Amino acid sequence: LAKTTQPISMDSYEGQEVNITCSHNNIATNDYITWYQQFPSQGPRFIIQGYKTKVTNEVASLFIPADRKSSTLSLPRVSLSDTAVYYCLVGRSGANNLFFGTGTRLTVIP
Amino acid sequence: EAQVTQNPRYLITVTGKKLTVTCSQNMNHEYMSWYRQDPGLGLRQIYYSMNVEVTDKGDVPEGYKVSRKEKRNFPLILESPSPNQTSLYFCASSLSSGPSYEQYFGPGTRLTVT
Repeated sequence: LAKTTQPISMDSYEGQEVNITCSHNNIATNDYITWYQQFPSQGPRFIIQGYKTKVTNEVASLFIPADRKSSTLSLPRVSLSDTAVYYCLVGRSGANNLFFGTGTRLTVIP
Repeated sequence: EAQVTQNPRYLITVTGKKLTVTCSQNMNHEYMSWYRQDPGLGLRQIYYSMNVEVTDKGDVPEGYKVSRKEKRNFPLILESPSPNQTSLYFCASSLSSGPSYEQYFGPGTRLTVT
């Protein structure tokens, strides 16, 4: 299971685009990249998942370069309600244990 | 509604008094796991279960036990709780094992051991 490295915290003003980068140098060929969002005192919830290039859904976009050693979660025009901790996970089907780490604490400022 | 439920949501207990935190999912998921969350340490996996009667240790299993007698239930047992087990606990389930499968988390159980 590939370990990941993310910034501990980030601040952003409302309305700005936020990009959170995750480093996963030891990613394997069959590994997927998955991001979760966690609000205070709640369990994490799935945001987006990708394997390569770009994935977009109604919440976020995920950019993955060709070498796949990093990925960037992009949140367009953040609002105060996007204040949360964001976790990046890397691994494949069948991997037994999961490593969430400490995530990135995003604070959106009015 | 597809969900993971945990009980109790809040628990205050004393050192050494055995307790069980229940976890149940209604999605027929094979994989279930327990996490604890502590300030500055993030989310750490305690135990996981690949299916009925199949369980294994995660990153921080000391002081905990689990069982998986039915597919939907995965209780966390603290046989002799200690203050260092004061934490926020989450149960999660997914269709199968591995990060490529979406994890569904319960609402959390805040445990205080005095």
